[in-house]
Amino acid sequence: GENVEQHPSTLSVQEGDSAVIKCTYSDSASNYFPWYKQELGKRPQLIIDIRSNVGEKKDQRIAVTLNKTAKHFSLHITETQPEDSAVYFCAASPLGFQKLVFGTGTRLLVSP
Amino acid sequence: DVKVTQSSRYLVKRTGEKVFLECVQDMDHENMFWYRQDPGLGLRLIYFSYDVKMKEKGDIPEGYSVSREKKERFSLILESASTNQTSMYLCASSLRGVGSSGANVLTFGAGSRLTVL
Repeated sequence: GENVEQHPSTLSVQEGDSAVIKCTYSDSASNYFPWYKQELGKRPQLIIDIRSNVGEKKDQRIAVTLNKTAKHFSLHITETQPEDSAVYFCAASPLGFQKLVFGTGTRLLVSP
Repeated sequence: DVKVTQSSRYLVKRTGEKVFLECVQDMDHENMFWYRQDPGLGLRLIYFSYDVKMKEKGDIPEGYSVSREKKERFSLILESASTNQTSMYLCASSLRGVGSSGANVLTFGAGSRLTVL
C-alpha cells in the first residue's frame, strides 16, 4: 500500500520568509496529491492539490511542485504571515481510488 | 454552515466500555471516512465507506468497527475500549472517488477527543 513520508516535522520561520515542506510517496500509481492545513483546534482543510499531469500549481502565496520520477512533492509558502502558522499535511492517492494516505504532518510556526 | 457534524467533542470512557462515535454529513456525499489523529503520526485511516451498508478497512482497523445504515450517517464503534485508543477521531466525507473529478475534497468534522481511562 501507499506510504507517505513528510519532512520536517517542525519548521520555524520569520514573517516574510519562505517555507518549504517536502513529502515522498511509495506507490507509483498515486497521481493525486493534496495538501491540508489544520489550524490550532480546528479541522483540516484543503489548501491546494496537484495531479500527476502537471508539475507545478500556484495559488497566490502557495505553490506545490511534483516530481513523479523521484516520487516526491513539495509545498512552498512565500512571504509567510503569522496566520500561516498551523500543521500542514500532505497526502497521496491513486486517482479514482476512494482513500487518501496522509503524511505525519509539519508544524509551521511563523514568528512576527 | 457546518456540513460534517460529530456528535461528541469530548468523551471519557473506561477500559472495556463500548463506545459509539457518530458522524452526520448534509452534503449528500457518497464517501465517508474515519481517521485517527495522534501527535507525530498524522492522520491514519481506520475505515471508510463508499456506499450505504458498504465498508472497507483502512490502515488501522483493529479494535474498531463501523456502521453505515443511511447515506448521511457513519458510526465508529469501539467494541471494548482500551487505553491505546485514547486519541482524536476525525470523520470526513467526500462527494465520490478522491480526486476523480476535481471536486472530491475531504470535508472534515470538528473531531471527537476520546480519553479511555
